[in-house]
Amino acid sequence: EDQVTQSPEALRLQEGESSSLNCSYTVSGLRGLFWYRQDPGKGPEFLFTLYSAGEEKEKERLKATLTKKESFLHITAPKPEDSATYLCAVLAGDSSYKLIFGSGTRLLVRP
Amino acid sequence: GAGVSQSPSNKVTEKGKDVELRCDPISGHTALYWYRQSLGQGLEFLIYFQGNSAPDKSGLPSDRFSAERTGGSVSTLTIQRTQQEDSAVYLCASSSRTGEETQYFGPGTRLLVL
Repeated sequence: EDQVTQSPEALRLQEGESSSLNCSYTVSGLRGLFWYRQDPGKGPEFLFTLYSAGEEKEKERLKATLTKKESFLHITAPKPEDSATYLCAVLAGDSSYKLIFGSGTRLLVRP
Repeated sequence: GAGVSQSPSNKVTEKGKDVELRCDPISGHTALYWYRQSLGQGLEFLIYFQGNSAPDKSGLPSDRFSAERTGGSVSTLTIQRTQQEDSAVYLCASSSRTGEETQYFGPGTRLLVL
């Protein structure tokens, strides 16, 4: 069964303290891995798409990387406005229309 | 440009009533998806449309749930005889086509069944 696991469940950082979020996946035929950010009371906001191992994408303080088993979302010198839940999702196999989501990492960045 | 829009943003209903949730996808997007986000359950797939057709309805929790899409644009998710376990956030997403394309989400409809 296709599965996506995110860790840690929650992360508290001091402003400026860099860290990484992990998304490990077990799927049959990865078609794409997606990172979203979700603020309370809002829908998921698209951040990155990664398609193949070794691929990296960057946007401001965020950088996403992909290997054959996992993806990392690196946050460099975070600011309080980066506080949100970060969701990882995959498209896989023949059902490459159905996003399979992890349970998310709740990030809190304190000033 | 305009993103995915959903209405209503919040809905409170009594157990046993029917509800309709609406989704307007990004203009030009042919694929439309419905997901449900419950506390402790994460995001789960319900149904998707390619044009007006729904090739996979396997995620619908029961026969009380149905969805349709008309004109390749607006979609409606209907829940009949609502139950308390239907309380959740219902999210709609759209993409330019199915496959590996990025899905863009709307703000969701928060449904509370009393």
